[in-house]
Amino acid sequence: QSALTQPPSASGSPGQSVTISCTGTSNDIGGYNYVSWYQQHPGKAPKLIIYEVTKRPSGVPDRFSGSKSGNTASLTVSGLQAEDETDYYCHSYAGSNSWVFGGGTKLTVL
Amino acid sequence: QVQLVESGGGVVQPGGSLRLSCAATGFSLSITGMHWVRQAPGKGLEWVAVIWSNGRTTFYADSVKGRFTFSRDDSRNTLYLQMDRLRVEDTAVYYCARERKPFDAFDLWGEGTMVTVSS
Repeated sequence: QSALTQPPSASGSPGQSVTISCTGTSNDIGGYNYVSWYQQHPGKAPKLIIYEVTKRPSGVPDRFSGSKSGNTASLTVSGLQAEDETDYYCHSYAGSNSWVFGGGTKLTVL
Repeated sequence: QVQLVESGGGVVQPGGSLRLSCAATGFSLSITGMHWVRQAPGKGLEWVAVIWSNGRTTFYADSVKGRFTFSRDDSRNTLYLQMDRLRVEDTAVYYCARERKPFDAFDLWGEGTMVTVSS
């Protein structure tokens, strides 16, 4: 049950795109299409923004997109806005009724 | 209104016990799996435990196995996390979360309840 690996920080200017990676193993990200991403503002609960690798819940802007290649998943935020500045976590089913999160990435809008 | 509301957090000494509750409104807990997730101060999210929709089958992270017990009361539509033999490293905000479908993402979260283990 080792955590997924995310970069501690990422940044971009308003209007630009930024991609956050999330690396796991064949036992989690590489083995299942149950990769999700959460946005968490300080002091608040996480909010689901991507599920099943590429799908967006209703109400999540299409500026947020997800993908996966092998054991690495990615979250891309296009057309960066000031309100996107916060923490992002990846998440995957890891088999045998266990789940694992990434360590989190703090996104800064320059 | 569909929501989850946690309660029961507080300060406890190492070795002590605490029971957290998570009350659901707007949906039945028996239709999907439910989870506890925790977040230590300034740290990332850590999955803690799951209870299946049948309300009986549970699984735990290695870090809490044998010390925490996850249960459900269908008459109250409420989840419980009994935490025994608490350690300093169990200090965290504890969230309950709803699973979209088996093994999938968590689409509804409570606001969390803080547990502090300290002497």
